[in-house]
Amino acid sequence: DVVMTQTPVSLSVSLGGQTSISCRSSQSLVHSDGNTYLYWYLQKPGQSPQLLIYKVSNRFSGVPDRFSGSGSGTDFTLKISRVEPEDLGVYYCYQGTHYPYTFGAGTKLELK
Amino acid sequence: QVTLKESGPGILQPSQTLSLTCTFSGFSLSTYGMGVGWIRQPSGKGLEWLANIWWDDDKYYNPSLKNRLTISKDTSNNQAFLKITNVDTADTATYYCARTIAAISFAYWGQGTLVTVSS
Repeated sequence: DVVMTQTPVSLSVSLGGQTSISCRSSQSLVHSDGNTYLYWYLQKPGQSPQLLIYKVSNRFSGVPDRFSGSGSGTDFTLKISRVEPEDLGVYYCYQGTHYPYTFGAGTKLELK
Repeated sequence: QVTLKESGPGILQPSQTLSLTCTFSGFSLSTYGMGVGWIRQPSGKGLEWLANIWWDDDKYYNPSLKNRLTISKDTSNNQAFLKITNVDTADTATYYCARTIAAISFAYWGQGTLVTVSS
């Protein structure tokens, strides 16, 4: 199985600040079709996860441009700028390239 | 508007079979590229992908559950199902269903249904 390693486990950030989360996979996430199926989700307290980024760097509908994804191969990053209170929660990366699909363990974003 | 809602037994005993239903609206599982997946989350822990079913009835399972999973769909009634046999306390979790289309995995999620396995 592909292991998704997220760092850090938790983050403290000031409102209006900027931060980033790293996600590394144990093998390349480039699919045989040429796409890289790496996603980012945010789970706010008491809620279901919500999709932020699909295929490494594409913001899902309605996601603010404060969120940006980048990376390739095995190394990926989610950047959050101008942090707002509604950004707090647990962020998960997820790979949909290799079965079985796997999630990272999560990164908890808290207010400083 | 896309919505999904999971339903399940709430509580069941070890060794029983867990049957979950995902009732959705706003899309059809007969549409090319469409899929529904099941994901679970033990309380306070991370997410685990369980299974996907696709518009063409292709199915994929997480082998970590050792052949205990069966996913199916009823396209006419806009439902997807997941069965887990021989449950034990480790299967206690909130179970989510979520929609996938083409390369956009799990764009829409249900609210989740809590399943507790206890004797």
